[in-house]
Amino acid sequence: EAQVTQNPRYLITVTGKKLTVTCSQNMNHEYMSWYRQDPGLGLRQIYYSMNVEVTDKGDVPEGYKVSRKEKRNFPLILESPSPNQTSLYFCASSPRESWRGEQYFGPGTRLTVT
Amino acid sequence: KNQVEQSPQSLIILEGKNCTLQCNYTVSPFSNLRWYKQDTGRGPVSLTIMTFSENTKSNGRYTATLDADTKQSSLHITASQLSDSASYICVVSASTNAGKSTFGDGTTLTVKP
Repeated sequence: EAQVTQNPRYLITVTGKKLTVTCSQNMNHEYMSWYRQDPGLGLRQIYYSMNVEVTDKGDVPEGYKVSRKEKRNFPLILESPSPNQTSLYFCASSPRESWRGEQYFGPGTRLTVT
Repeated sequence: KNQVEQSPQSLIILEGKNCTLQCNYTVSPFSNLRWYKQDTGRGPVSLTIMTFSENTKSNGRYTATLDADTKQSSLHITASQLSDSASYICVVSASTNAGKSTFGDGTTLTVKP
């Protein structure tokens, strides 16, 4: 089944404790992206990757890191999480550029930073 | 600045009725416009994708229209069902930045029996 998977689905952590949210897709998509969704703000793009070893900042990249060492994986790293990073996070992938094809979203990771 | 504005913010309708959601954008140069449906707590799912040359696209009971001249799109839902209760998000991409898309804040639709 074609899908985007994220782990963990739920995470509660404390301020400053490094964490990684994994994202994997099995559709051989070049493009992958991370979004956060907060009440009343809609989806905001954090980082995106056009292909392996190619990443770029979205609209709200502060406090996040990403890497794209393999085509299928695009982990989101929070080196020192803070309470304002409490949010619902979505990973998405699409063939080639985001505007050339439908984006497939993962199920989401709900992160709480205390 | 590229923007996407959706209206109304929320909408309540009775089961079986039709409704229309609006999306206005300032994204330029335009590449495509997508409508997504997002159930509470789940990832968005694509409904339609329209490019500059398309002005209508249907997906079952969902019909999207696009007027690239006025930079407006609408999503029409016919014969609504309880399962249509969700947030509907309009997303617009510019052809000059392949990696970024501009998301609207969404319209929350509630269908009541």
